[in-house]
Amino acid sequence: ELKVEQNPLFLSMQEGKNYTIYCNYSTTSDRLYWYRQDPGKSLESLFVLLSNGAVKQEGRLMASLDTKARLSTLHITAAVHDLSATYFCAGGIGATNKLIFGTGTLLAVQP
Amino acid sequence: DGGITQSPKYLFRKEGQNVTLSCEQNLNHDAMYWYRQDPGQGLRLIYYSQIVNDFQKGDIAEGYSVSREKKESFPLTVTSAQKNPTAFYLCASSMRGRDQPQHFGDGTRLSIL
Repeated sequence: ELKVEQNPLFLSMQEGKNYTIYCNYSTTSDRLYWYRQDPGKSLESLFVLLSNGAVKQEGRLMASLDTKARLSTLHITAAVHDLSATYFCAGGIGATNKLIFGTGTLLAVQP
Repeated sequence: DGGITQSPKYLFRKEGQNVTLSCEQNLNHDAMYWYRQDPGQGLRLIYYSQIVNDFQKGDIAEGYSVSREKKESFPLTVTSAQKNPTAFYLCASSMRGRDQPQHFGDGTRLSIL
């Protein structure tokens, strides 16, 4: 059974700083997704990582996948207040598109 | 504009009452999903459907029921058997295929009266 764990659960950052959110998963998963959720809102798809070594970047966010270590990272570069949100990773299993979500990382970027 | 529409945005349930949450999509997606989100937690899968007239239980299906009579629609009924229904419910859809991201609606917040 696939389990997905994120850390940290809460991250308070200063603007301009860099940090990384980690996503570990327990069994083989050949794809990993990152989503963003603003308070009281829906989820927005950020990245889809499909293969070992995959790296994707959008603005100040960069996601990577290491399937051998069963680890994905979301790196934040020079944080700005607009990045404040909860970030979820989710692992895909089986032939369906069924996803198992981590518990999320609440990111608060302080001015 | 294509998207996923959930209604209502807020819903209140009385004890012993069944309530139905609506989810409609015009993205021409084959697969649809229902998730439950509790405060400070991740999403847990309730039911999912890969094709019309077919659906499977997720991790927390007890106390819930669904139907998939049309490709565009995947309503979720929260039955009186669900003893702790207060949560944020999110509907999602995707193209079929292992690499397709799920797209989410704006959610329905359900509370007990």
